[in-house]
Amino acid sequence: EDKVVQSPLSLVVHEGDTVTLNCSYEVTNFRSLLWYKQEKKAPTFLFMLTSSGIEKKSGRLSSILDKKELFSILNITATQTGDSAVYLCAALLDSNYQLIWGAGTKLIIKP
Amino acid sequence: DADVTQTPRNRITKTGKRIMLECSQTKGHDRMYWYRQDPGLGLRLIYYSFDVKDINKGEISDGYSVSRQAQAKFSLSLESAIPNQTALYFCATSPQGSTDTQYFGPGTRLTVL
Repeated sequence: EDKVVQSPLSLVVHEGDTVTLNCSYEVTNFRSLLWYKQEKKAPTFLFMLTSSGIEKKSGRLSSILDKKELFSILNITATQTGDSAVYLCAALLDSNYQLIWGAGTKLIIKP
Repeated sequence: DADVTQTPRNRITKTGKRIMLECSQTKGHDRMYWYRQDPGLGLRLIYYSFDVKDINKGEISDGYSVSRQAQAKFSLSLESAIPNQTALYFCATSPQGSTDTQYFGPGTRLTVL
């Protein structure tokens, strides 16, 4: 059975801290791994990772994929209260382009 | 203007009623998806469509049906709503090709009493 597991399920840190969110996957026909940020409403796209070892960066956020160990991490440096959200990862299947979603990590940044 | 719109945004209905949720997109994407989101379970795929003539079941299609009326429109129906279909429903679109990222609508919060 295809599955994506995120950890931790929730995390509370103070502004300025650095956080690392984890996503491991066990899927057949893996194509890519995607990260989304969900605040109050719809998820918004952050990164898509297809190749191992190539870091994607966007401001204070960065992500990397390890296709040998089947995981990805999302790093956020110098966190701000606006980073508070649920962060979702999903594995995209090559066979039918379905996304298999993790349950998300709820991140709370305290001032 | 939003690229992916959903109507209604909120709906409360009773058990046994037929409900239709609609999704429209102006992104010109071929692929459209319906998900439901429940607390602690993440997003689960209900149906997806790769073009107007191609509709596929996702992991939780029982109790749901869909219609792809046009490239830009993809509707989800609950033929006879039941309380455990209370959830947040999202429509998403994606282009063909190498990007493979999905763009989400704002969601419809459905409550079945």
